[in-house]
Amino acid sequence: DTAVSQTPKYLVTQMGNDKSIKCEQNLGHDTMYWYKQDSKKFLKIMFSYNNKELIINETVPNRFSPKSPDKAHLNLHINSLELGDSAVYFCASSQIAGRRSYEQYFGPGTRLTVT
Amino acid sequence: QKEVEQNSGPLSVPEGAIASLNCTYSDRGSQSFFWYRQYSGKSPELIMSIYSNGDKEDGRFTAQLNKASQYVSLLIRDSQPSDSATYLCAVRASGAGSYQLTFGKGTKLSVIP
Repeated sequence: DTAVSQTPKYLVTQMGNDKSIKCEQNLGHDTMYWYKQDSKKFLKIMFSYNNKELIINETVPNRFSPKSPDKAHLNLHINSLELGDSAVYFCASSQIAGRRSYEQYFGPGTRLTVT
Repeated sequence: QKEVEQNSGPLSVPEGAIASLNCTYSDRGSQSFFWYRQYSGKSPELIMSIYSNGDKEDGRFTAQLNKASQYVSLLIRDSQPSDSATYLCAVRASGAGSYQLTFGKGTKLSVIP
């Protein structure tokens, strides 16, 4: 199946820990994103990564860092986790040229709970 | 600050009726507009994209765009209980290299059998 996949689906950890979430897309897209969806269901862009150009939303703490080993992967690393980081994190991808440009396709999400 | 506004709802419609979902945006130069459906506990799913003024139909869904009024809407004809979900409006802003989308907070739709 062509899709955007994320691992793990659930992540429960304690404050202060460091964790990573992995994302892979096999859609052949050239741009990937990380979103945070909080308890009020507001979906907010954190990062976008295209051809090695990283755009960071200015409100994202520098404890969050995206890492892209190649065009099909964009992992999210979080240092020193805080209670307020608890949310669902979605990875997405798109192609920025062509007929269906900018249409973003989402992964299943990772529910992060910080205790 | 580029904003996308939606009525949070809930919007309740009887089965078989037309559901009308509305969205306004602040960036006059916005280029691309999308509607996503999100079921509870699931990820957003793209259902419509629209790029130029007018209507675009796909099955029971019609997206309408009016750039002069900075307004985009989604009509769902013959609403079904399975359409009950939160609908997210997303807008791509203007400017080169701007491929990020700004999402509204979503409208929760409930279709009553």
